[in-house]
Amino acid sequence: AQTVTQSQPEMSVQEAETVTLSCTYDTSESDYYLFWYKQPPSRQMILVIRQEAYKQQNATENRFSVNFQKAAKSFSLKISDSQLGDAAMYFCAYRILYGGSQGNLIFGKGTKLSVKP
Amino acid sequence: EADIYQTPRYLVIGTGKKITLECSQTMGHDKMYWYQQDPGMELHLIHYSYGVNSTEKGDLSSESTVSRIRTEHFPLTLESARPSHTSQYLCASGYSYNEQFFGPGTRLTVL
Repeated sequence: AQTVTQSQPEMSVQEAETVTLSCTYDTSESDYYLFWYKQPPSRQMILVIRQEAYKQQNATENRFSVNFQKAAKSFSLKISDSQLGDAAMYFCAYRILYGGSQGNLIFGKGTKLSVKP
Repeated sequence: EADIYQTPRYLVIGTGKKITLECSQTMGHDKMYWYQQDPGMELHLIHYSYGVNSTEKGDLSSESTVSRIRTEHFPLTLESARPSHTSQYLCASGYSYNEQFFGPGTRLTVL
């Protein structure tokens, strides 16, 4: 069974600094997608970034980038120039590429990120 | 933010009551999902639908049921609520498997 592990329940970063959130996953599949979702307090969850496992190049979206290490099954999120609005729960998620449950996301337990002014 | 709505946002109800959590989206998405999220915990998929009249159970066993009679509407029903059903329920929808738009959630408390 696939599992997603986020080993940091809480993280803190100073405004304008860089922070890295960790995620590891377990799967026997070779093709899959990985995601980072952001859930701000009392607001809707939104997609931050996604990575296709067959792509070696790490995905980047503005201040957000990932470090995808397929062999190590590691998928960390780096937030550069942290802003107060980045404070949220961050969830790492996984889905398989094919099969009847291909649309189903498997989530980690989340990392609560605080941003200090 | 995406146009996906959930009502009610908060619900406190007694044991044994029947409840329906509403979820609607105005984007014409075929795919819709229901997740259960306990405080400080991960989301677990409990139901999904890939189109009208199509529903499937997710990875987490749930006593709830769903229906998909219209594309835009995906309600979740509990026939007899119990304290163990206390949780947050998140609805999501999407065109593709690679992006799900989430609703604001319903916080359910069963006394």
